[in-house]
Amino acid sequence: SQQGEEDPQALSIQEGENATMNCSYKTSINNLQWYRQNSGRGLVHLILIRSNEREKHSGRLRVTLDTSKKSSSLLITASRAADTASYFCATRRSNDYKLSFGAGTTVTVRA
Amino acid sequence: EAQVTQNPRYLITVTGKKLTVTCSQNMNHEYMSWYRQDPGLGLRQIYYSMNVEVTDKGDVPEGYKVSRKEKRNFPLILESPSPNQTSLYFCASSWVAGGSGTDTQYFGPGTRLTVL
Repeated sequence: SQQGEEDPQALSIQEGENATMNCSYKTSINNLQWYRQNSGRGLVHLILIRSNEREKHSGRLRVTLDTSKKSSSLLITASRAADTASYFCATRRSNDYKLSFGAGTTVTVRA
Repeated sequence: EAQVTQNPRYLITVTGKKLTVTCSQNMNHEYMSWYRQDPGLGLRQIYYSMNVEVTDKGDVPEGYKVSRKEKRNFPLILESPSPNQTSLYFCASSWVAGGSGTDTQYFGPGTRLTVL
């Protein structure tokens, strides 16, 4: 069953703009991860945020986690054409060995 | 180079003809997993393995089998493929963080399977 749901399903922005996507989940988690997938290829891990963390940064990426709302957001600042990809959130529930993925947000960065 | 490899990358087969998709990782990871990806559904877990000889069902295990005889290999077996198993399949591996779960997963390049 899908634990995470991303919003929006698709996003189109101009190069240089910021892109924000959200992920909501249903049950308590140990951590939440964001992955990127370039068209038809394998997923690449971007960032992991644990349930006791509220914000994390990695380069142009900023992730927030609000466990009270069961939601997370991924912000990509100063987007580039190379950021065009699908982005997935994945949650690992407490005391569970599985990662559950959402359906993803497709981001298109226009030059 | 640390990697997860899958073979074949592309496969077209017919209903009922048994097939195996291989997956191998060179990072000595304990945890390995198979996912299928279908449009609009994201990734759904088929089976996973916490270590050698330890496997368990994911969310969509029907019609699939796996084995984990060696730490590095985790083949996916379709004994009698059907058209609804046409999909993009990914293998992934990771450490078992703290012995109680999995964190960052490393994905293979994917296998695109078509069952006619």
